[in-house]
Amino acid sequence: QVQLVQSGADVKKPGASVKVSCKASGYSFTDYYLHWVRQAPGQGLEWMGWINPNSGGTNYAQKFQGRVTMTRDTSISTAYMDLSRLRSDDTAVYYCARHNYVLALDIWGQGTMVTVSS
Amino acid sequence: EIVLTQSPGTLSLSPGERATLSCRASQSVSSSYLAWYQQTPGQAPRLLIYATSSRATGIPDRFSGSGSGTDFTLIISRLEPDDFAVYYCHQYGDSVPWTFGQGTKVEIK
Repeated sequence: QVQLVQSGADVKKPGASVKVSCKASGYSFTDYYLHWVRQAPGQGLEWMGWINPNSGGTNYAQKFQGRVTMTRDTSISTAYMDLSRLRSDDTAVYYCARHNYVLALDIWGQGTMVTVSS
Repeated sequence: EIVLTQSPGTLSLSPGERATLSCRASQSVSSSYLAWYQQTPGQAPRLLIYATSSRATGIPDRFSGSGSGTDFTLIISRLEPDDFAVYYCHQYGDSVPWTFGQGTKVEIK
């Protein structure tokens, strides 16, 4: 079946970087953009940006420009989101989600909890 | 940036009742690019409605969406126990950033 499986929870210290992976299966990885969305504890959804798995092109929310890098490895159908210079307010669940054109974000990963704490 | 404002923040209803959720945009949103998601505790969001009024695969017909321009509505015609959750509207047009509403929690009265 079509699914996105993310890497496990992580704990980082302030100032460090975190890399979250998102492995796609059940569909052609390069046919659909992948987006990253985060959710701080008890808060709403925040869009971070997207990657085009075919070309590697990216588009990041201005808030994260300079701190986020989205990449992919087409040989293993996996996308990555790297967030640097972590702060305590980066503590959140990070989701990858498939953009199915007018069908919006139709498939979501299970989420990866990233905790930033000294 | 398009700001989406959802109301009410919390809706307290009983099973079997009708729920009406509102999403208002700070500027016009193409009807082709307005979606609704349902999220239960500890779970990822689930797509309910896309393109304002189209139900995603497997979504029962008690969920319906409507609207245009800056005003959009999600209606749950008869609440079932699994429907008590948080609902988010989302605009996903050509312009970035994409944005979400802050959410409406539908709780059991």
